[in-house]
Amino acid sequence: DIQMTQSPSSLSASVGDRVTITCRASQSITSYLNWYQQKPGKAPKLLIYAASSLQSGVPSRFSGSGSGTDFTLTISSLLPEDFATYYCQQSYNTPLTFGGGTKVEIK
Amino acid sequence: QVQLQESGPGLVKPSQTLSLTCTVSGGSISSGSYYWSWIRQPAGKGLEWIGRIYTSGSTNYNPSLKSRVTISVDTSKNQFSLKLNSVTAADTAVYYCARDLGYPNTDSWGQGTLVTVSS
Repeated sequence: DIQMTQSPSSLSASVGDRVTITCRASQSITSYLNWYQQKPGKAPKLLIYAASSLQSGVPSRFSGSGSGTDFTLTISSLLPEDFATYYCQQSYNTPLTFGGGTKVEIK
Repeated sequence: QVQLQESGPGLVKPSQTLSLTCTVSGGSISSGSYYWSWIRQPAGKGLEWIGRIYTSGSTNYNPSLKSRVTISVDTSKNQFSLKLNSVTAADTAVYYCARDLGYPNTDSWGQGTLVTVSS
């Protein structure tokens, strides 16, 4: 199985801050990396697919980068609705695996 | 716009079989080429992919659960199902059904259903 490791597991930030979350795969997954946002009591929502492509309808303040084993999700200027938990997920092979999540909290 | 809805018992006894159904609306489950997945999330924890079934009927399962899991499709009802046998308290989680994880424009999730394993 490909292990996905996210860091940090949680962070505190203020509205307007730039936030960066990292995800590392245990082996190369080329660009088969997706990012999800999950709010309490809700299903995850796809933000970024193929490492850097923005899902339709997702605000442009979200961006993704990376390839191989190291990936980054960046929120350029945090808005109140962005406080949530973020997960990376590899779709390179099965079993599909998720990172442990990064909870973005209000400072 | 396809919609997915999980249904099934919210309480299952230990050693019994957990059975859930995902009803797909807004499109036919047998048209197109899609992966239909089950994912679960214990309270306060991360996401675990259970397995998926392709439109053709082929399946992939998480090796950690493979010996206990069966995913199937009922095209006449536009549903796909999950069966997990020999459950324990560790199987208590919110269970989600989803289509095409990570695929642009076709990634869709149900709202999730809580299943508790307890006597």
